Amino acid sequence: SQQGEEDPQALSIQEGENATMNCSYKTSINNLQWYRQNSGRGLVHLILIRSNEREKHSGRLRVTLDTSKKSSSLLITASRAADTASYFCATAYEKLTFGTGTRLTIIP
Amino acid sequence: KAGVTQTPRYLIKTRGQQVTLSCSPISGHRSVSWYQQTPGQGLQFLFEYFSETQRNKGNFPGRFSGRQFSNSRSEMNVSTLELGDSALYLCASTQQAGETQYFGPGTRLLVL
Repeated sequence: SQQGEEDPQALSIQEGENATMNCSYKTSINNLQWYRQNSGRGLVHLILIRSNEREKHSGRLRVTLDTSKKSSSLLITASRAADTASYFCATAYEKLTFGTGTRLTIIP
Repeated sequence: KAGVTQTPRYLIKTRGQQVTLSCSPISGHRSVSWYQQTPGQGLQFLFEYFSETQRNKGNFPGRFSGRQFSNSRSEMNVSTLELGDSALYLCASTQQAGETQYFGPGTRLLVL
């Protein structure tokens, strides 16, 4: 069963706009990770945020973590057509447990 | 470094058969995890191996098994295939459990 639930399930935005995806989880975590998957291929790691961190940046990506609310968000700024993909959060404790994913479509 | 490789990339089997999938991790990675991805259930954790020992196991029936060799390469086996086993099977390796995982391209299994 999935630990994380992502919201929204699908998101369509115009190229250049910002995209925000949210992830909620249920149990304790050591860290939370975000991955991208293009068209049923393997997953690509985007960013890892530890349980004692609140915000992390990587290029156009910004991740926040609120352990009191058991939630995280991924912000992609200045979106590009190449950002079209499914995005998954994954919580790490004894193992990595993935959320349900958000399907992001960037409209050129 | 070469990435995680999985073989075969595509596979078609019939119900009742068995299948073995292979995964070669990134050099130096001793932890290998397997996941099943289906449209209905999403990404489900199968099991994790570290230094030839199964360290964690997901909620899958005993038909799903795996092993890891001394060179960290891993195989997973599914016996008595069912239609519902049709899925993308992903392998991932990592240097340390719970840290960043590096995924292979997956093996797409179709059970007819």
